[in-house]
Amino acid sequence: GQSLEQPSEVTAVEGAIVQINCTYQTSGFYGLSWYQQHDGGAPTFLSYNALDGLEETGRFSSFLSRSDSYGYLLLQELQMKDSASYFCAVRDRTGGFKTIFGAGTRLFVKA
Amino acid sequence: DVKVTQSSRYLVKRTGEKVFLECVQDMDHENMFWYRQDPGLGLRLIYFSYDVKMKEKGDIPEGYSVSREKKERFSLILESASTNQTSMYLCASGLGRKADEQYFGPGTRLTVT
Repeated sequence: GQSLEQPSEVTAVEGAIVQINCTYQTSGFYGLSWYQQHDGGAPTFLSYNALDGLEETGRFSSFLSRSDSYGYLLLQELQMKDSASYFCAVRDRTGGFKTIFGAGTRLFVKA
Repeated sequence: DVKVTQSSRYLVKRTGEKVFLECVQDMDHENMFWYRQDPGLGLRLIYFSYDVKMKEKGDIPEGYSVSREKKERFSLILESASTNQTSMYLCASGLGRKADEQYFGPGTRLTVT
């Protein structure tokens, strides 16, 4: 079957660095994405990794290791506005390249 | 900016009613998706479509159907609403079969009583 695991909650202080991990199990892995969702809002796309390595976009970076079926989202210089839920999502080529989301990690940023 | 709109922000229906949720995107995207979001379960894919008149089942298609008669519009239909279909429904669109950036609509909070 297909499954993704990520921590349910993470707490960090303003200005710190936080890493949100995601492990996945899927038969036809194609790529790993990350989305951010604030309370009451819609998910917004953050990053996508199809190949091993680190992708950097401003304060956010995303990493993928296909051999370990593992990825993470790294948030640097945390700000209060980063308090949100973060979802990893796997693109799976079986079943027509459908997208499977994890349950989400709730990030609390404290002053 | 990509815009994905959904027909209603909040909807209350009775058990057994037929429910239509409409989604429209304005960026000529090939792909469109319907998800439901429930606390602790993340987003679960109901149906998706790669082209007009095409549809593929997601992980939880039971009790739902979809229609894509025009490229910009993707409708989700609950043939006979049940209380376990009370949820937040999110529509998304994206470019290309293998691209993964999806743009989400604001969601429809459906309550079935």
